Amino acid sequence: DAEITQSPRHKITETGRQVTLACHQTWNHNNMFWYRQDLGHGLRLIHYSYGVQDTNKGEVSDGYSVSRSNTEDLPLTLESAASSQTSVYFCASSGSPGLRSTDTQYFGPGTRLTVL
Amino acid sequence: AQSVTQPDIHITVSEGASLELRCNYSYGATPYLFWYVQSPGQGLQLLLKYFSGDTLVQGIKGFEAEFKRSQSSFNLRKPSVHWSDAAEYFCAVGARGAGSYQLTFGKGTKLSVIP
Repeated sequence: DAEITQSPRHKITETGRQVTLACHQTWNHNNMFWYRQDLGHGLRLIHYSYGVQDTNKGEVSDGYSVSRSNTEDLPLTLESAASSQTSVYFCASSGSPGLRSTDTQYFGPGTRLTVL
Repeated sequence: AQSVTQPDIHITVSEGASLELRCNYSYGATPYLFWYVQSPGQGLQLLLKYFSGDTLVQGIKGFEAEFKRSQSSFNLRKPSVHWSDAAEYFCAVGARGAGSYQLTFGKGTKLSVIP
């Protein structure tokens, strides 16, 4: 079955280290998104992509970067991890080719990142 | 910029009772509206969505929501709650972009169910 996966599921790192969180979807979706979830804030959009080589900043993009070299993957990189980036990170995807832009966003299981 | 307000942080209901979770949005155009549910330690699952047309939307697990433009609301309802409905519920508005839409979420309402 088609799915969206995230790895690792749990990560502990130190302040200042570079960290990359993986997101992989097998639906052949055009659109991919990264959100972070924090207590009291709900989910907030970090970056998103509407296709290969396309990336856009979301509401809370500072300190994060993404690149889209193929349809299936949108890795999220924290260039220099900070304690304020301790959070749960969710990847989502939507928009199979040929479907309307109103396609549903499907979410991955999340990655819990702790920055010490 | 768009925003979503979920006024209730935590709601407790008895099993079998009816449920209404409130959601108010702010958006300059006709919104795309969504309700997602998140069980502990899990990702988000879509309950229902509104893009256009009939303002009463039916979703999975017996949930429904009604879009009221005049009140900028999209409240979620269920006539009879089951213990398995205990979870956190998120309302979201979709802001249309060039290729698709981006979601702005409310802060969530945690639902507890008393057996």
